[in-house]
Amino acid sequence: DGGITQSPKYLFRKEGQNVTLSCEQNLNHDAMYWYRQDPGQGLRLIYYSQIVNDFQKGDIAEGYSVSREKKESFPLTVTSAQKNPTAFYLCAIGVPGGDTQYFGPGTRLTVL
Amino acid sequence: GQNIDQPTEMTATEGAIVQINCTYQTSGFNGLFWYQQHAGEAPTFLSYNVLDGLEEKGRFSSFLSRSKGYSYLLLKELQMKDSASYLCAVRSGNTPLVFGKGTRLSVIA
Repeated sequence: DGGITQSPKYLFRKEGQNVTLSCEQNLNHDAMYWYRQDPGQGLRLIYYSQIVNDFQKGDIAEGYSVSREKKESFPLTVTSAQKNPTAFYLCAIGVPGGDTQYFGPGTRLTVL
Repeated sequence: GQNIDQPTEMTATEGAIVQINCTYQTSGFNGLFWYQQHAGEAPTFLSYNVLDGLEEKGRFSSFLSRSKGYSYLLLKELQMKDSASYLCAVRSGNTPLVFGKGTRLSVIA
């Protein structure tokens, strides 16, 4: 949605390399989320953060790391420990009062 | 944990009405969401239900029955551009949304 940016749209990396995906928002919301989507799997939660300097593991956090040093930014690092990193990665913000989530455009990561 | 079920695929004719069902099992229910996702794109928010009943928004309506753990998304006057995946998601307490696997809708002429 407007105000949530993820770059790049497509990313290629060699196996064994760490890669960091960016997620930036200018909507001044506290809650931010990272999901992974694979064909036929739906969206699965990797990490989430409800306030600056705090974050929690989601259902599939192994092989990933995050930081939340600024309200506007929630970068995700895909480490070499992640066995199957090729996927569509989606960042979202949560709006208070129901936590409706709005998604950025996503980054499609391919590990060769 | 949560269990969310929706049909994998559906096909409907342009101009018709289609109903996409979603059943869920959860404790501490705190809202049900529907999203539309076109191929290769991010999901976009369609609707939010937290109380029983029907929420209407243009050609799209969403219904919720909390006692039955059941929701449906109703699409009227189908258009070719409605061909997409439709994701049902449930919130429990203050935990993040849990998404179903989505229903892929194909609209044919």
